Amino acid sequence: GAVVSQHPSWVICKSGTSVKIECRSLDFQATTMFWYRQFPKQSLMLMATSNEGSKATYEQGVEKDKFLINHASLTLSTLTVTSAHPEDSSFYICSARIDGQTLTEAFFGQGTRLTVV
Amino acid sequence: KQEVTQIPAALSVPEGENLVLNCSFTDSAIYNLQWFRQDPGKGLTSLLLIQSSQREQTSGRLNASLDKSSGRSTLYIAASQPGDSATYLCAVPSSGYSTLTFGKGTMLLVSP
Repeated sequence: GAVVSQHPSWVICKSGTSVKIECRSLDFQATTMFWYRQFPKQSLMLMATSNEGSKATYEQGVEKDKFLINHASLTLSTLTVTSAHPEDSSFYICSARIDGQTLTEAFFGQGTRLTVV
Repeated sequence: KQEVTQIPAALSVPEGENLVLNCSFTDSAIYNLQWFRQDPGKGLTSLLLIQSSQREQTSGRLNASLDKSSGRSTLYIAASQPGDSATYLCAVPSSGYSTLTFGKGTMLLVSP
């Protein structure tokens, strides 16, 4: 199957700093990528849809100014958690489908464990 | 709004047992359903994708069935092994079809 690479796999940062997470589709193009967040023992919740060359679409309750998304190319989307606080500590996972195959399998990155201290 | 429920939330079995994990969804107008495996602190690995036109899909010791009309899917794991220990998630497309709605998962522990 197609590969989605996410980096870093874990990060610890101080409260008030910003953290950038990268999501890359390694062997396919993905005009659209998705960012999810997962709290312990909870399900994955969609945060936003990242669109190449245009603004991201955020789910209700997700602060767009706090979670900045940039999708600068067909294979890379980044999520920046700005002015991170301990409550932002979570597991962040990105996902993508192969362009033109929106009804098929979704591929996920390895996830990023963010801990804000 | 689509909602996905997985039962049981946790399952602990000795090695060698055959298992059934259950998934139900409220909106049966789906075009596929996907089962994933998640190891602790890791991302998701896709196990099986069942299209709405299919009733089941098999991969090795895994067999997933889909009953759209009743809004249910089951994941059958044959001859379980300690390496099968993980959380198993099912997901169906959300409205708009691009994103997925996930269940909370079934945490499986297979002991030697």
